[in-house]
This record gives sequence, C-alpha cells and structure tokens, in this order.
Amino acid sequence: DTAVSQTPKYLVTQMGNDKSIKCEQNLGHDTMYWYKQDSKKFLKIMFSYNNKELIINETVPNRFSPKSPDKAHLNLHINSLELGDSAVYFCASSRAGGSYEQYFGPGTRLTVT
Amino acid sequence: KQEVTQIPAALSVPEGENLVLNCSFTDSAIYNLQWFRQDPGKGLTSLLLIQSSQREQTSGRLNASLDKSSGRSTLYIAASQPGDSATYLCAVSTRGSSNTGKLIFGQGTTLQVKP
Repeated sequence: DTAVSQTPKYLVTQMGNDKSIKCEQNLGHDTMYWYKQDSKKFLKIMFSYNNKELIINETVPNRFSPKSPDKAHLNLHINSLELGDSAVYFCASSRAGGSYEQYFGPGTRLTVT
Repeated sequence: KQEVTQIPAALSVPEGENLVLNCSFTDSAIYNLQWFRQDPGKGLTSLLLIQSSQREQTSGRLNASLDKSSGRSTLYIAASQPGDSATYLCAVSTRGSSNTGKLIFGQGTTLQVKP
C-alpha cells in the first residue's frame, strides 16, 4: 500500500545513454512533482504536473522530459546522460493547489559513469 | 526569489536534551511550511506541516512554530533520543501564478544524538 513509489531504486549507466525513471502514486492526487537532490544534499524542484498538464518547469535542460500518461503516473526520461546528472531524484504528489502537503517517494539514485 | 536557510548546519547533543532547529525564509508569501526528516540514503518523511495562517503544530515530542512576518520557523525536539539522529529539512511552499506550490528547501540540519 505504498503511497508514492518509484522505479528503479538504483540506476547506474554510462554517459550518453538514455534512461527513464517511473513514478506512481495511489493517493488520488492531481499534482505530481520531480525534485533533484544533488551531491551536496540540496533538494530542488524540477517539474510539476497537474492532471497531466505541465505547470512548473524550473529551467531544466531539455534533455529531461517528463511524461504523464495519467494523473497517477509521472515518468522522467533523460536523454544523453551527463556526469552532472548523477543525483537522487524524488517524485512527490499532492492535492491540487499550493496549500496541501506533498508526499515523497523513496527516491532513485542515478549514477552516471 | 525565495531562499530558505537553516541554522545550524550540524548539531550534536547528548541524549535527553531539548533542542531547537532554525529555518528562515526571505519571502513571506507562502502557502505553508513543512519540516521533513531524511535518514542517510533514504527518502523524505514529513514531520509537520504548518499552514501560513497557523502559528504552530505539534506531533509527539515535536513542535514547529511559524512566524510568517519575520520569515522564521523553529522545530523544537523534546527529550532527544539517538533515534532522532537524521537530517532535518525545512521547505516552504511558495505562491506562484499557477496556484501550485513548489517546495523550496533549506540545506538541512544534520542532527546527531549521542547515547
């Protein structure tokens, strides 16, 4: 009965490859997010979708492309991976509107070699 | 531009002490403020959420306060235990034109409680 789940938990890949991270929430929320936690543990928002529509894009390189097939899923596809993409990526969800609590997934640790 | 700062960056206390973690933010136009806990190599666990209209929230040994006008929040942990050792993150949900809150995080305070 996991609320927000992500797959895979760990991802090790080489520079130049393309990879995807999947996120699913079973909370019935309308809004989903992707956050990145860098090597210094600083968390920063990347994207937000509301009911499959992109509403926040924080100047992330266009190699990153989120896709929301339905409001329960938000996947993150990364093209031409670079060393600097190594980080932990967290998915989160909330009810629509800014005043609601955000619930986070367990994170995906991406290592680019 | 909203900025969130947490002081101290690290804290080490003996078991049983009461302690206070501090968080400050530069823009008072927020929806809410959340405190999270992150254990090494793990995800984020939400501890407390304070709406912008509220002054404090309590959960067990934790008490969080919010002073929006001064841009400050504190997380008070009573009778600390070794199991409280973790990184504590403060995040504010900022008001944007899309009426969707994005969380702006502080750098965190890493707490170690010694037995």
